[in-house]
Amino acid sequence: GNSVTQMEGPVTLSEEAFLTINCTYTATGYPSLFWYVQYPGEGLQLLLKATKADDKGSNKGFEATYRKETTSFHLEKGSVQVSDSAVYFCALKRLGGSEKLVFGKGTKLTVNP
Amino acid sequence: SQTIHQWPATLVQPVGSPLSLECTVEGTSNPNLYWYRQAAGRGLQLLFYSVGIGQISSEVPQNLSASRPQDRQFILSSKKLLLSDSGFYLCAWVKGLAEAFFGQGTRLTVV
Repeated sequence: GNSVTQMEGPVTLSEEAFLTINCTYTATGYPSLFWYVQYPGEGLQLLLKATKADDKGSNKGFEATYRKETTSFHLEKGSVQVSDSAVYFCALKRLGGSEKLVFGKGTKLTVNP
Repeated sequence: SQTIHQWPATLVQPVGSPLSLECTVEGTSNPNLYWYRQAAGRGLQLLFYSVGIGQISSEVPQNLSASRPQDRQFILSSKKLLLSDSGFYLCAWVKGLAEAFFGQGTRLTVV
C-alpha cells in the first residue's frame, strides 16, 4: 500500500541554521505530495505541495522537490527562525475518489534563539 | 470558500462515559472526510475515512466508531471511553488531489 516515511526527530536547531527533513514515499502511480505544518495546539495546515515529478513546492522560505527517481520529497529551508518551531508532516495522495491521504509520523522541529 | 468546523475544542470526560465529536464542512460537496488521532508526542493515526454518506472505513480496530449522516457531517463516537482514548482528535476533508483542510482539533482528556 501507499506509505510515507520521514525522519522522526526531534530536530533542534539554532536560529539561521539550515534545515532538512527527509521524506520518502512508496506508492503506485503518480501521487501528489504535501508538507503540512502543525503549530502547538492547532490543527494542520498546508505548507507546500507538488503534483508531479520535478515540481518544486515552496512557501515561507521552505522548499521541497518531487523526486520520482529517489521517491523523495525532502523539506528544506536555508535559514530557520524561532517561529518555525512546529511539527512537520509529509503526506501523499493518489488521484481517485477512494484514495486516502497518507501521512508520515511527523517531525518536531525546535529552533532556539 | 471552504471551511471546516470541529467541536468542542476541549473535553474532559470520565472513563466509561459516551463521546460524540462533530465535524461539519461548508463550501463544498461530496468531500472525503477523515478522523485522525494524535497522541502526545506521536504522529497522526488515521481512525476513520469516509467517501460518502453512510460509507465508513475503519483503519484501526478500537473503542471508537464514526458515522456520516449527511454529506458534510462526520461524527466520531464512543459508547464507553477508555483512558487510552485521550488525545488530540482532528477532522479533515479532501477533494481530489487538492490539499486537505483540517479543523482546529479537539483535546480529549479521559479521567
